[in-house]
Amino acid sequence: EDQVTQSPEALRLQEGESSSLNCSYTVSGLRGLFWYRQDPGKGPEFLFTLYSAGEEKEKERLKATLTKKESFLHITAPKPEDSATYLCAVPPPNSGYSTLTFGKGTMLLVSP
Amino acid sequence: SQTIHQWPATLVQPVGSPLSLECTVEGTSNPNLYWYRQAAGRGLQLLFYSVGIGQISSEVPQNLSASRPQDRQFILSSKKLLLSDSGFYLCAWSKDSSGTQYFGPGTRLLVL
Repeated sequence: EDQVTQSPEALRLQEGESSSLNCSYTVSGLRGLFWYRQDPGKGPEFLFTLYSAGEEKEKERLKATLTKKESFLHITAPKPEDSATYLCAVPPPNSGYSTLTFGKGTMLLVSP
Repeated sequence: SQTIHQWPATLVQPVGSPLSLECTVEGTSNPNLYWYRQAAGRGLQLLFYSVGIGQISSEVPQNLSASRPQDRQFILSSKKLLLSDSGFYLCAWSKDSSGTQYFGPGTRLLVL
């Protein structure tokens, strides 16, 4: 069973059209949920870490929230430069060396 | 500040040839180091991780191997490449207990 599931797989928005990406997880005793942004042909870039339900973090047009079963990445008034694949990840159970299990990502395309 | 380097950036190799990809980290000491492979539509797959010189843990049995000859150097190798080894290889490091991983620019490998 996948520990991290992201939806939708792809999302197309018009510039200024706000939306949310979803990351659901099945691990118990969450030790952090990580969001990354990945541009084509590049390595993922760290965005946020969330540790407890109710926690929120913001960076420019992005806001990440966390509940007991899922996390949302809200994109407010997106711009074309927000186009990228967004990945979420959690530490797998029984992992003592800071390893992460990644979801398959949501590919976001923002059209002008 | 810390930086992570990978080389080469791209590589085209024939089936059956050897492989050596290198990753180095600057600006930190005793980092945890990771090798991932990213294939189209399959997300990030953790291949190896290391918590210290000479200490390698393998996540997926295959014809690849990893070594850590120096504190901030991580090498991914193969004696004989397979077609299925094609992909985007990413190196990452982490330091503190937060588990946040920081990725390098990646190496695109095409096995023909």
